Amino acid sequence: NAGVMQNPRHLVRRRGQEARLRCSPMKGHSHVYWYRQLPEEGLKFMVYLQKENIIDESGMPKERFSAEFPKEGPSILRIQQVVRGDSAAYFCASSPRGSYNEQFFGPGTRLTVL
Amino acid sequence: GQQLNQSPQSMFIQEGEDVSMNCTSSSIFNTWLWYKQDPGEGPVLLIALYKAGELTSNGRLTAQFGITRKDSFLNISASIPSDVGIYFCATHGNSGGSNYKLTFGKGTLLTVNP
Repeated sequence: NAGVMQNPRHLVRRRGQEARLRCSPMKGHSHVYWYRQLPEEGLKFMVYLQKENIIDESGMPKERFSAEFPKEGPSILRIQQVVRGDSAAYFCASSPRGSYNEQFFGPGTRLTVL
Repeated sequence: GQQLNQSPQSMFIQEGEDVSMNCTSSSIFNTWLWYKQDPGEGPVLLIALYKAGELTSNGRLTAQFGITRKDSFLNISASIPSDVGIYFCATHGNSGGSNYKLTFGKGTLLTVNP
């Protein structure tokens, strides 16, 4: 019974490049959440998605960031034209349909922008 | 926005000692969650509290949901080296329709000296 899977675990990009972070939720989970963690900080909500729907993206910067959760395949968090301030750990969590109380987190993707 | 004040920021203890950490807020919440994050990993849910005054245990861990609904504490008894990590309190959003958003404290870094 695999947990939430994220890849890559580490990603290095130069300023101006694109970063694509992938998340496969736990089996049977249809809700996906993305959080960002800056060094020595707690996690901060970015976006909540269900299959083919963005429910709430209020925590995501309006420019350069986008997220999707297609009918088939993993959820993708895409950051265009990365800047140094995007360096952080990005965590995906999932929960089953009808329940958000207990969100199960993946191991995260650590993005470093040079 | 909602802010959780978690203390202490860090603790350095001897193996076998008991540990206590807490989280407070100026807002009232309906849930309190405690997560542990190991280095390089995602947060793992330890205990979930849903009712004011509730006291819940999970092995050597005990957590309580404050009567005022504005605070919670986590105790770890007889600490062992594998308790090392960052402990986060978290709550669900209160405003209507956004209870799926988790808000995290800044964490308590626990170091256990064998």
